[in-house]
Amino acid sequence: GAGVSQSPRYKVAKRGQDVALRCDPISGHVSLFWYQQALGQGPEFLTYFQNEAQLDKSGLPSDRFFAERPEGSVSTLKIQRTQQEDSAVYLCASSLEPIETQYFGPGTRLLVL
Amino acid sequence: SQQGEEDPQALSIQEGENATMNCSYKTSINNLQWYRQNSGRGLVHLILIRSNEREKHSGRLRVTLDTSKKSSSLLITASRAADTASYFCATDGFGNEKLTFGTGTRLTIIP
Repeated sequence: GAGVSQSPRYKVAKRGQDVALRCDPISGHVSLFWYQQALGQGPEFLTYFQNEAQLDKSGLPSDRFFAERPEGSVSTLKIQRTQQEDSAVYLCASSLEPIETQYFGPGTRLLVL
Repeated sequence: SQQGEEDPQALSIQEGENATMNCSYKTSINNLQWYRQNSGRGLVHLILIRSNEREKHSGRLRVTLDTSKKSSSLLITASRAADTASYFCATDGFGNEKLTFGTGTRLTIIP
C-alpha cells in the first residue's frame, strides 16, 4: 500500500510568512508524529497524535507552531510568522499502534529567507 | 535534545567489507530502532529490537543491544554501494511513544 506522503516537498517562505505543511499517514494508522530535522542532525520530536487527540506537544519550539489532525487521518503542521531558524526538514511519521514501528514520509524542506 | 550519539560520526569502507556503527543512549528504553536516510530523502526503517532482546538479524543486518551499557551496535555485512547513507538509532520509552534520535553515522561505501 501507499506510504506516508507529505506536501509540499519544498517550501520557500519569506520571514514573517505563515506556512502549512501537510501529512497523509498510512491508511488505518492510529499514531502520527511530527519531527524537525536540522541539517546534519538527527530528527527531533515536535508533537504526537493518537487518532485526533494531540497527546504530546512538548517538542513544539514556540507558540508559533501549531498542529492539528481533526478527523484522525490527515495532519497539518502550521508555522506562523516564520523565522530563519525555522528552516529545516519537517518529517511526518505514522504507526499502526503506539510503540510500534514508525514509518516516515519524505519530508518537507522549508527554507525561510 | 538528542538521546545519545552514534559512533563513529563518519565511516568509509570498501565495498564488500563489513561496517559496524554504535549507538549510546542515556535513559531506560522500551525499544531501539535503526533507520537509514539517503541524501535528501526520508527515513527508512531497518530493524527494531526490544529491550528484552539482545540480538536480532535481518538479511545482512545484525543488531545487538546491551541495556546495562545503554548501547547498541548495527553491523552491515558484505557492504554494497547502495548502503551509502546516514544511519540513525532511535529509542522510545515506556509510556512514551515519541522517538529520540541519535546524531547519526554517515557511511560511505567505496566501489
